[in-house]
Amino acid sequence: ETGVTQTPRHLVMGMTNKKSLKCEQHLGHNAMYWYKQSAKKPLELMFVYNFKEQTENNSVPSRFSPECPNSSHLFLHLHTLQPEDSALYLCASSQETSGVYNEQFFGPGTRLTVL
Amino acid sequence: RKEVEQDPGPFNVPEGATVAFNCTYSNSASQSFFWYRQDCRKEPKLLMSVYSSGNEDGRFTAQLNRASQYISLLIRDSKLSDSATYLCVVNDYKLSFGAGTTVTVRA
Repeated sequence: ETGVTQTPRHLVMGMTNKKSLKCEQHLGHNAMYWYKQSAKKPLELMFVYNFKEQTENNSVPSRFSPECPNSSHLFLHLHTLQPEDSALYLCASSQETSGVYNEQFFGPGTRLTVL
Repeated sequence: RKEVEQDPGPFNVPEGATVAFNCTYSNSASQSFFWYRQDCRKEPKLLMSVYSSGNEDGRFTAQLNRASQYISLLIRDSKLSDSATYLCVVNDYKLSFGAGTTVTVRA
């Protein structure tokens, strides 16, 4: 496995379900990110983890719960989502140095549909 | 005002043509700038960073105008494979993405 992988690639869930998205990076990076991409809208940064510590939470609703057990793995736990949460969820990683944002490498994304 | 704004396009150009488009940003203290490329139903990938003096990578030229707070991307001798959405990314202590400019190169 190389680069950034995400599973599942597609997910359909009801509003009462609980599911988790998984991201794994094989690049030795120290920072990982979750983004939401809705149609015709800019990528929205949701969470940032640097050295496994959450450094940013962009006012994301609590129905989205991130988990970063180590610098290579990132999860996004989902519960009681709304139909407007349907989107492409992208994970990315980068090697951060002194707070400077460097090139981010993205995973292929999880296409989420909430019914 | 949006943090990063792009003309959504689409820019429809014939092969071999030159196409250029801009991206404006609102925070004058922004530190660094990037162009990413995103193909349909794929993830974004870095195309090039944008340096203060402007930079070129093959057929692609990026420029930064701090006074007017915009960056530009110019594609020369367009290829069919250049068809994609180009995302402007601005770092002002957080990464802000534009919604993208769609370019379609036709044969």
